[in-house]
Amino acid sequence: NAGVTQTPKFRILKIGQSMTLQCAQDMNHNYMYWYRQDPGMGLKLIYYSVGAGITDKGEVPNGYNVSRSTTEDFPLRLELAAPSQTSVYFCASSLTGDEQYFGPGTRLTVT
Amino acid sequence: GESVGLHLPTLSVQEGDNSIINCAYSNSASDYFIWYKQESGKGPQFIIDIRSNMDKRQGQRVTVLLNKTVKHLSLQIAATQPGDSAVYFCAESVFNDYKLSFGAGTTVTVRA
Repeated sequence: NAGVTQTPKFRILKIGQSMTLQCAQDMNHNYMYWYRQDPGMGLKLIYYSVGAGITDKGEVPNGYNVSRSTTEDFPLRLELAAPSQTSVYFCASSLTGDEQYFGPGTRLTVT
Repeated sequence: GESVGLHLPTLSVQEGDNSIINCAYSNSASDYFIWYKQESGKGPQFIIDIRSNMDKRQGQRVTVLLNKTVKHLSLQIAATQPGDSAVYFCAESVFNDYKLSFGAGTTVTVRA
């Protein structure tokens, strides 16, 4: 199993640009999550999904959108990038909704 | 605000000594707790978890203690090694909530 994979690893965006962060898992997990981690801080939940076709907002959803058309994939969309969205983004998945498995992260810089 | 917090932001430990990392939580409804290790440039990695019906759980070189009376969680690492240098996060969740709430993390540095 590859586990949780994320692409790209790094990205630099200009203010106002859009992009999609990709996340995929091959463990047949129903639960998937997107977090952001600012320097020296913990993880803040952006969006999560309890199954294909179902998504819900987390603690910091503004400026982001998600979709979950399949069990495997959970892309995160930034429509109008802002400097405040400079962060490291982690995707995670879970079989039961408890223990979560994390991907390697995407480091995003908005300038 | 944060519902899970850590007492100390940094911890320096001599190689071979035992480490204790503390975590306070404020949500008395939380019934699941988990510790993650995050090495530089990597995603968090599961260490150990515990449910509220237990007060102690042991893994390989690690022990988690839960004190529900004072809402306190700790992670003990036995015989700390250089590879244990990382940021450690505790997180909590409420039954059927399917979300984890993370604290800010403790940076552990192992001295040779």
